[in-house]
Amino acid sequence: NAGVTQTPKFQVLKTGQSMTLQCAQDMNHNSMYWYRQDPGMGLRLIYYSASEGTTDKGEVPNGYNVSRLNKREFSLRLESAAPSQTSVYFCASSDFRDRDFGAGTRLSVL
Amino acid sequence: GESVGLHLPTLSVQEGDNSIINCAYSNSASDYFIWYKQESGKGPQFIIDIRSNMDKRQGQRVTVLLNKTVKHLSLQIAATQPGDSAVYFCAENSGANNLFFGTGTRLTVIP
Repeated sequence: NAGVTQTPKFQVLKTGQSMTLQCAQDMNHNSMYWYRQDPGMGLRLIYYSASEGTTDKGEVPNGYNVSRLNKREFSLRLESAAPSQTSVYFCASSDFRDRDFGAGTRLSVL
Repeated sequence: GESVGLHLPTLSVQEGDNSIINCAYSNSASDYFIWYKQESGKGPQFIIDIRSNMDKRQGQRVTVLLNKTVKHLSLQIAATQPGDSAVYFCAENSGANNLFFGTGTRLTVIP
């Protein structure tokens, strides 16, 4: 099993550009999550999907949208990237309270 | 909001010594706690968890201690090895569909 797979691993955007971060899990988990990780701060929840067909805002949702495409896939979209969105983004999945994390996407917005 | 903090942002230990990483939490309603390890360039990896009805749980070379009276959590790593060098996060959960993460402690093992 690959676990949680994120693409791309690295991305550089210009301010105002859009992009979608992809995430897929092969563990048949019901819940999926998007976090961002910034220096000196803990992981912060952007959006989550408790089950296929549902999505909810987390702690820092502004500037992002998500799509739970099916049980396996959960994408994160930046419609108009801003320098404040420079961060490392982690996708995770779970069927309990802990999380299985992907390897992350390093995003720089210039 | 909830806060999960760490007493020390960095910790250096000699190879073979025991390591203790501490964490304070503020939400007395939290009933589940997790320690994660994050190596450079990788995602967090589950190490060990503990429920609030326990005060100690042991894994392979790791022990988590929970003191609910002072809202304190610690991770003990026995016979620390170079491969243990990483950032360690504690996280607390109060039953909602979220985990609150601490900022992390960087553990460096000196050969």
